[in-house]
Amino acid sequence: EVQLVESGGGLVNPGGSLRLTCVASGFTLTGNHMTWVRQASGKGLEWISFINGVTNKISYADSVKGRFTMSRDDAKNSVYLQMNSLRVEDTALYYCLGAGSFSSWGQGTPVTVSS
Amino acid sequence: QAVVTQEPSVTVSPGGTVTLTCASSTGAVTSGHYPYWFQQKPGQAPRTLIYDTNNKHSWTPARFSGSLLGGKAALTLSGAQPEDEADYYCFLFYDGDVVFGGGTKLTVL
Repeated sequence: EVQLVESGGGLVNPGGSLRLTCVASGFTLTGNHMTWVRQASGKGLEWISFINGVTNKISYADSVKGRFTMSRDDAKNSVYLQMNSLRVEDTALYYCLGAGSFSSWGQGTPVTVSS
Repeated sequence: QAVVTQEPSVTVSPGGTVTLTCASSTGAVTSGHYPYWFQQKPGQAPRTLIYDTNNKHSWTPARFSGSLLGGKAALTLSGAQPEDEADYYCFLFYDGDVVFGGGTKLTVL
């Protein structure tokens, strides 16, 4: 069964950092595109970052560029999102999305940025 | 980055047909944008219905179909069911970047 499980969310002060993890099972990351998506409470989906499974090129939304870093560890079949200089407006549920044709979503991990 | 626009809300009668659209601020949506469609019900994670314009996953009900229509990506629901009431999002690829539409709230009434 293809599955994505996110972890690492929590409460952090503005300016702080968090590292999110997405562990994939039932498929290998190699060759598969992966992306991070977030959703603030009551709002729509917002794309955050994308890693091309073929070229390994990583891209970011303007709203997080320079603050967030996406990476991948094929040995652990995991992708990560390092989030630095967090702002109140980064508060959201963060989803990992991937596998063949973006068929699989995780259940999300909540991030709250507040003092 | 581009802006992707969807209808904020649409209502369809049970058994009726409705088309949701996804427009790009940069011009016509093409197959090169690899349009995706997602369904999200309250309190649940989204699920992927359509990929690469018109391809369905094994779990996608046959009543959903994707296409390009009038320069936009389109999601057509033929024979709406009460359980289809949900938020629907599209996304488009722009040379490595991804942009979501704002979502359409579909009411079956």
